[in-house]
Amino acid sequence: NAGVTQTPKFQVLKTGQSMTLQCAQDMNHNSMYWYRQDPGMGLRLIYYSASEGTTDKGEVPNGYNVSRLNKREFSLRLESAAPSQTSVYFCASSEQERGTQYFGPGTRLTVL
Amino acid sequence: RKEVEQDPGPFNVPEGATVAFNCTYSNSASQSFFWYRQDCRKEPKLLMSVYSSGNEDGRFTAQLNRASQYISLLIRDSKLSDSATYLCVVSLTGGGNKLTFGTGTQLKVEL
Repeated sequence: NAGVTQTPKFQVLKTGQSMTLQCAQDMNHNSMYWYRQDPGMGLRLIYYSASEGTTDKGEVPNGYNVSRLNKREFSLRLESAAPSQTSVYFCASSEQERGTQYFGPGTRLTVL
Repeated sequence: RKEVEQDPGPFNVPEGATVAFNCTYSNSASQSFFWYRQDCRKEPKLLMSVYSSGNEDGRFTAQLNRASQYISLLIRDSKLSDSATYLCVVSLTGGGNKLTFGTGTQLKVEL
């Protein structure tokens, strides 16, 4: 039982490049989330998926897209990376919308 | 004004000390409250939920004051392993999907 897994752990991109961050959970949770964490800012919600087949914007969705591929997987895509997207990205899941959220180990992204 | 405010610290305390953190939140409609713990370069993990009547989990005690809109966390008999950043988290709904995180309070427990 791995919980929430994220790939890659580290990534360096050049401005304008695209990439997809992968997240998977094996806890049969319905809801999944993407956050970013920046120094002095706390974690901020980018997008979330309350259940399979639905996605909604969070606090800071601009520059990102998401796909809830199936119940297990929720990916985050940067179409044209910008230095302002340099951050640590965390994926989380919860059994239902009102449940405790469990976080993955994070992806450290640097955009040059 | 930030929605959830915390003193960033660091709080440097000797092993065995009692330490308390406070957190204030701005939205009076907030309904659920949590403390998460985050170790350096790791993911946040739920430490405990905070209930209106206050609650205790071993050496940790959480209190909620809705009238003053603040939440507290008390750690008794601090251990070296308690060194971490403690995140105050507030939700507008009954639980999970719209969590608002504070920036965290750093605790360093020393010998």
